[in-house]
Amino acid sequence: EAGVTQSPTHLIKTRGQQATLRCSPISGHTSVYWYQQALGLGLQFLLWYDEGEERNRGNFPPRFSGRQFPNYSSELNVNALELEDSALYLCASSSQQDLYEQFFGPGTRLTVL
Amino acid sequence: AQSVTQLGSHVSVSEGALVLLRCNYSSSVPPYLFWYVQYPNQGLQLLLKYTTGATLVKGINGFEAEFKKSETSFHLTKPSAHMSDAAEYFCAVSARYGNKLVFGAGTILRVKS
Repeated sequence: EAGVTQSPTHLIKTRGQQATLRCSPISGHTSVYWYQQALGLGLQFLLWYDEGEERNRGNFPPRFSGRQFPNYSSELNVNALELEDSALYLCASSSQQDLYEQFFGPGTRLTVL
Repeated sequence: AQSVTQLGSHVSVSEGALVLLRCNYSSSVPPYLFWYVQYPNQGLQLLLKYTTGATLVKGINGFEAEFKKSETSFHLTKPSAHMSDAAEYFCAVSARYGNKLVFGAGTILRVKS
């Protein structure tokens, strides 16, 4: 069974640009979560999508947004990039049978120059 | 609201020695508790979880943790450390009615030969 996949592995952008990160959940999982792991700030919850709807949002500005597609894959968009957005962005998925067990992907390393 | 405190950002043990990583949580509702491990440049892998029932939980790679409600703790232990256990470990809590994971700051485990 394939795990959670994320693309790209690395992404380098400059300040003010937009970044798009992608996530494919485990087959059969309908929930997707995004977390930011920034140096010195730890792992912080960003967004939760379930059945195409945004269910919960962490304490991040509106320039962090995303969506979930009918096939349950998801995109995270970060607009007007700032230097402090440099981080590892982790995607996780869970199934309806066990909403509390989240399976994580390898992450996308975003570097903002 | 939930929060997690991991005591000790770095723990060093000798190969074959007991591993003890400490985690205390705060939760306004009965918690779900998790331990994840992260190897360099990788995502998170679930070691074990506590949901309900038996308070002593066994996980992968010989790790186990005990939920102690009176002490609001969920410490991770392994009787004998291996070199391959060197990694960063995260304790996390989730509310029963919300799906986001709240993580501790992490503990880097070093195993000395």
